[in-house]
Amino acid sequence: AQSVTQPDIHITVSEGASLELRCNYSYGATPYLFWYVQSPGQGLQLLLKYFSGDTLVQGIKGFEAEFKRSQSSFNLRKPSVHWSDAAEYFCAVGVRAGGTSYGKLTFGQGTILTVHP
Amino acid sequence: ETGVTQTPRHLVMGMTNKKSLKCEQHLGHNAMYWYKQSAKKPLELMFVYSLEERVENNSVPSRFSPECPNSSHLFLHLHTLQPEDSALYLCASSPGLAPYNEQFFGPGTRLTVL
Repeated sequence: AQSVTQPDIHITVSEGASLELRCNYSYGATPYLFWYVQSPGQGLQLLLKYFSGDTLVQGIKGFEAEFKRSQSSFNLRKPSVHWSDAAEYFCAVGVRAGGTSYGKLTFGQGTILTVHP
Repeated sequence: ETGVTQTPRHLVMGMTNKKSLKCEQHLGHNAMYWYKQSAKKPLELMFVYSLEERVENNSVPSRFSPECPNSSHLFLHLHTLQPEDSALYLCASSPGLAPYNEQFFGPGTRLTVL
């Protein structure tokens, strides 16, 4: 079965510093990969997604992520963090559910980002 | 209203109460989902509906009963819940069921079971 690991439960950075959030997945084939962000009291919003092609994908709010097949990773990056980026970030893998015709998302446990002024 | 809306945003109920959560999507999508988000646990998929037909019941206890009267509305009926059912319940929708489809999430209902 597929799985997603986000090794860092909580990360703290200073405003203006660079950011990298780690995500590793386990799946037998090339998965569909997603990063979502959740602000307090809100639902999840899609930041970016990878399906195929260029392994570096650009998303909203200045985020990007790089798919590395050899490392089974899909790390999220931002060159300069803003205070408004403080939120919880979720990596997810989209796969076809076994024996069915539909897909399902498997989420990591999330990384909470705190931004110091 | 745009996107995915959920009501109520907060709900406190006793273990013997019956209540319902409502989700509405204004995106013209065909698939809708219920997730449970508990502290320190990954999001758990509960139910999946496609064109009003349930396609997944992810080993959810029968005290949770979903209903999808049309492709725009999804309900979660709750009865005789347990304190461990306290969580954020998220509704989502997507254009279809393919694994590459982005899911659009509502703001959630914060449920507390006393």
